[in-house]
Amino acid sequence: DAGVTQSPTHLIKTRGQQVTLRCSPKSGHDTVSWYQQALGQGPQFIFQYYEEEERQRGNFPDRFSGHQFPNYSSELNVNALLLGDSALYLCASSWLAGNEQFFGPGTRLTVL
Amino acid sequence: AQSVTQPDIHITVSEGASLELRCNYSYGATPYLFWYVQSPGQGLQLLLKYFSGDTLVQGIKGFEAEFKRSQSSFNLRKPSVHWSDAAEYFCAVGARSDYKLSFGAGTTVTVRA
Repeated sequence: DAGVTQSPTHLIKTRGQQVTLRCSPKSGHDTVSWYQQALGQGPQFIFQYYEEEERQRGNFPDRFSGHQFPNYSSELNVNALLLGDSALYLCASSWLAGNEQFFGPGTRLTVL
Repeated sequence: AQSVTQPDIHITVSEGASLELRCNYSYGATPYLFWYVQSPGQGLQLLLKYFSGDTLVQGIKGFEAEFKRSQSSFNLRKPSVHWSDAAEYFCAVGARSDYKLSFGAGTTVTVRA
């Protein structure tokens, strides 16, 4: 049983560019959450998708947007990249709100 | 708003010695509590979770944690650490009525021979 998968593993972008990160949830899971983990910090909640809609959002600007597809996979889009967006982006899946979340290995984004 | 405090930024422990990592949370309702471990460059692996019931929770890799409502704490323990336990440990709080997890800043554990 494959766990949560994310692509790409690493990504380098320059300021002002746009980026798309992808996530496939664990088999049987229908909910995907995205987190940003800056260096030396704990993960911060960006948003959660369920039934192809954003169900809850953390304290992140509108430059951060997402999408969930009918097969439950998800994308995270970040526009107008800033240096401060450099971080590890983690995707987590679950099958019930408030239930345990299973994390993927993350995508390391570097903004130059 | 829910929040988590991990008072210890870095802990060094000898191999074979016991380990205790502290976690204090702030949440108005009954929390769901989690401990995750992260090795360098990796994602998060769930060690154990508390939803309800017995306040002493057993997890993987020989870890356990105790929920103390009166102290708003959920400390993680291991009786005898192995060199492979060197990693970053995160405490997190969630809830049935909430969808996100709120994480502490983490505790880095170094294991010396």
